Amino acid sequence: KAGVTQTPRYLIKTRGQQVTLSCSPISGHRSVSWYQQTPGQGLQFLFEYFSETQRNKGNFPGRFSGRQFSNSRSEMNVSTLELGDSALYLCASRPTGRGEKLFFGSGTQLSVL
Amino acid sequence: GENVEQHPSTLSVQEGDSAVIKCTYSDSASNYFPWYKQELGKRPQLIIDIRSNVGEKKDQRIAVTLNKTAKHFSLHITETQPEDSAVYFCAAPERSGSARQLTFGSGTQLTVLP
Repeated sequence: KAGVTQTPRYLIKTRGQQVTLSCSPISGHRSVSWYQQTPGQGLQFLFEYFSETQRNKGNFPGRFSGRQFSNSRSEMNVSTLELGDSALYLCASRPTGRGEKLFFGSGTQLSVL
Repeated sequence: GENVEQHPSTLSVQEGDSAVIKCTYSDSASNYFPWYKQELGKRPQLIIDIRSNVGEKKDQRIAVTLNKTAKHFSLHITETQPEDSAVYFCAAPERSGSARQLTFGSGTQLTVLP
């Protein structure tokens, strides 16, 4: 079974731009979560989608948004990029919305200049 | 919400020695505690987890212990090897409505010195 796939792997943007990141979960997994990872901050929860609905949202500004498609693929969008948005964005999937085990993708490294 | 604290933030050990990483959590209702390992430039991967109905779980050189009364759990790695060098994250579930998400500790950079 293929793992969680994230594209692109690296991204360089400038302040004020917007960016869209993509995540394809493991086949059969319906829940997709997004995390932001920065040095010294660990993994900060952004949001979770299940069956195309956002079920949970972390403490991030409204510039961070996402969506999930009927095939469970998910996209995350960040508008009006700030320097502080530079981070590794990790996507994780799990089989259902109730199980706790997360399977992570390799992440998208976003650099904002 | 759930608050997970992890210590130490960095840990260096000699090859062959043991390493212990500790985490505390705040929600007494939490019942699942995973540990993830993230090697440099790679994705976090689940290495071991424990549920609250047991106090200890072992898998070869790694083990996790849980003290529900004190609300802390620990990762133990014995006979450390250079390939154990990585960042380790603990986590605990946080319930929000009908969903459960994992709240992660801030990570421990483990370095195994040859």
